[in-house]
Amino acid sequence: DTGVSQDPRHKITKRGQNVTFRCDPISEHNRLYWYRQTLGQGPEFLTYFQNEAQLEKSRLLSDRFSAERPKGSFSTLEIQRTEQGDSAMYLCASFRGDSGRALGEQFFGPGTRLTVL
Amino acid sequence: GNSVTQMEGPVTLSEEAFLTINCTYTATGYPSLFWYVQYPGEGLQLLLKATKADDKGSNKGFEATYRKETTSFHLEKGSVQVSDSAVYFCALSDRSGAGSYQLTFGKGTKLSVIP
Repeated sequence: DTGVSQDPRHKITKRGQNVTFRCDPISEHNRLYWYRQTLGQGPEFLTYFQNEAQLEKSRLLSDRFSAERPKGSFSTLEIQRTEQGDSAMYLCASFRGDSGRALGEQFFGPGTRLTVL
Repeated sequence: GNSVTQMEGPVTLSEEAFLTINCTYTATGYPSLFWYVQYPGEGLQLLLKATKADDKGSNKGFEATYRKETTSFHLEKGSVQVSDSAVYFCALSDRSGAGSYQLTFGKGTKLSVIP
């Protein structure tokens, strides 16, 4: 399978715990995105990597959130001191892009569903 | 900033009925436009796209035309099937200050097709 994969698919945690999610993009894709989707809403942008550099972060990404993409391959998203409001589906997408217009599509993984009790 | 407004659901249609889901957008630049579909229990999949004005994207019998003058990208299908039941998201991709081309999504429209 050469698509975008995410692990775990589901995570249940207690308020105050730390959680970490992993995303493995399509191998030749240099751009990687994290989005968050809450019930009944469309996905919202969280952060973006070009290769290993994190180039943009949304205002939604509070100080409790941190993302990395070491070596420009897989990425991790960590949430510290989780709150009930963090319950959502966390989506990863990858894209092969250059400095021109985004003519292609972002490929999405299946998501990690986080439930904070 | 960028935003996407799409028809609120849920929408329930009988098989073989005509489908229209309206989508309008606001963008600071010249965006590319997309329709993504999310089938029950699955991830987001690209349904179709258009990258410049008057382009028509099409796939699986679905069509949408990039209308710059009305800032719209309405999704249509002439005859829906039960297998088209899913949530449909309109989205745009525009170059941000950091060049991310992040996607901005609408809230989604849930379509149910009954036999």
